[in-house]
Amino acid sequence: LAKTTQPISMDSYEGQEVNITCSHNNIATNDYITWYQQFPSQGPRFIIQGYKTKVTNEVASLFIPADRKSSTLSLPRVSLSDTAVYYCLVGPILTGGGNKLTFGTGTQLKVEL
Amino acid sequence: DAGVTQSPTHLIKTRGQQVTLRCSPKSGHDTVSWYQQALGQGPQFIFQYYEEEERQRGNFPDRFSGHQFPNYSSELNVNALLLGDSALYLCASSLDRDYEQYFGPGTRLTVT
Repeated sequence: LAKTTQPISMDSYEGQEVNITCSHNNIATNDYITWYQQFPSQGPRFIIQGYKTKVTNEVASLFIPADRKSSTLSLPRVSLSDTAVYYCLVGPILTGGGNKLTFGTGTQLKVEL
Repeated sequence: DAGVTQSPTHLIKTRGQQVTLRCSPKSGHDTVSWYQQALGQGPQFIFQYYEEEERQRGNFPDRFSGHQFPNYSSELNVNALLLGDSALYLCASSLDRDYEQYFGPGTRLTVT
C-alpha cells in the first residue's frame, strides 16, 4: 500500500482557504486518493475522492497533478466547525468489494476567529 | 434514516477480562468493518465482515474476533484484555463493492 505523508498540524482563521497537501510518491496505477475528516470522539467522515486532475463537491476540492505523487485538499472559506483531523488515504478500489481503509496520523487543522 | 450505531458508548474493563462491542450498520448496508484508534493515531483496520464471514483481517492477534449476524449487525470480541487495548473502537458499514465507508461514533474502551 502506498505510504502517505501529510503535515501534522495546520492553523488558519475563519474565512480563509486552507490547502492540505499529501505526498504519496509510490502511488500505484490503480490507487485512488481519498480524504476523510474526523471530529473528536466521532468516527471519520468521507469528504472527497479522486484519481487524477481535479474533483470538486459541495465541501471541498481535490487537486491531483499529472504524476499523482501528491494531492491537495482545498477547503474554501473555513469556519470554526472545520477544526478537525484530516486524513489522506491512498489505495485501490476493489471492484469485488472487501475494501479496507488505511489511515495515517492525519493533519490536525485548527481554525481560529 | 439511522446511521451506524454502536454500543456501549464507553466501557471500563480490567486486564484479563473479555469484552463485546456491538454495531448496527447503516440501513441497506451489508458490509461491516472494525477499526481500532489509539489516542493521537489514525484508525487501524481490524477486520471486515460480509455475508456473515470474515473477509479481510488486519494485523491483530487472535484475541480479536468478530461475528456478523443475518441482519448485518456485528460484534467485536476481545479476549484477555491488555492495557494496550485501550482505544476508541470504530465500526464502519458500507455496501459491498463500494469504497466509501460510514463510521459510527465509536466505543471508548479503557482497560485498567
